Amino acid sequence: GQNIDQPTEMTATEGAIVQINCTYQTSGFNGLFWYQQHAGEAPTFLSYNVLDGLEEKGRFSSFLSRSKGYSYLLLKELQMKDSASYLCAVTDSNYQLIWGAGTKLIIKP
Amino acid sequence: DVKVTQSSRYLVKRTGEKVFLECVQDMDHENMFWYRQDPGLGLRLIYFSYDVKMKEKGDIPEGYSVSREKKERFSLILESASTNQTSMYLCASTTGTDPNTGELFFGEGSRLTVL
Repeated sequence: GQNIDQPTEMTATEGAIVQINCTYQTSGFNGLFWYQQHAGEAPTFLSYNVLDGLEEKGRFSSFLSRSKGYSYLLLKELQMKDSASYLCAVTDSNYQLIWGAGTKLIIKP
Repeated sequence: DVKVTQSSRYLVKRTGEKVFLECVQDMDHENMFWYRQDPGLGLRLIYFSYDVKMKEKGDIPEGYSVSREKKERFSLILESASTNQTSMYLCASTTGTDPNTGELFFGEGSRLTVL
């Protein structure tokens, strides 16, 4: 079966750095997404990785290793507003989008 | 500002009632999706549509139907609501011929409670 694994919950301190991991086992691979979802709100797009390596976008970076079936989202200089759930999703070889259950990130002052 | 609008944020219905969830997007997107989101689970695809009057079953279509009469509007219908359909329903849209390789734009969700 197809599977996306992410930690259920993480806690970090304001101003610090946090890395949220995502591992996947899917039938093929056509890209990996990260979305942010604040409580009670719509998910919003953060990043899309197709090739191996690190992509940086401001305070957020996303890394992909296709050979390891692994990605992480790195958040720097954490702010209270970064408290949210972070959803990892993979497009498989049939262009089906498989979603992880999400990681709830709690930021403490 | 691009927008996906879902008609109702909160609904409470009784078992056996017919439920309509409406979604409208203003981005001229070809592809529209209905997902449900439950605690501890990833988003699960109910139905999607890649064109007007076209629909495809997702992973969990049982108990649901959809309608897409106009490009901007995609409706989810629960013919006879059951308690196990209590959930958060998310509508999304995207452009492109490969719908799962582009950014999805989501509505804010409709939280349905079936009593």
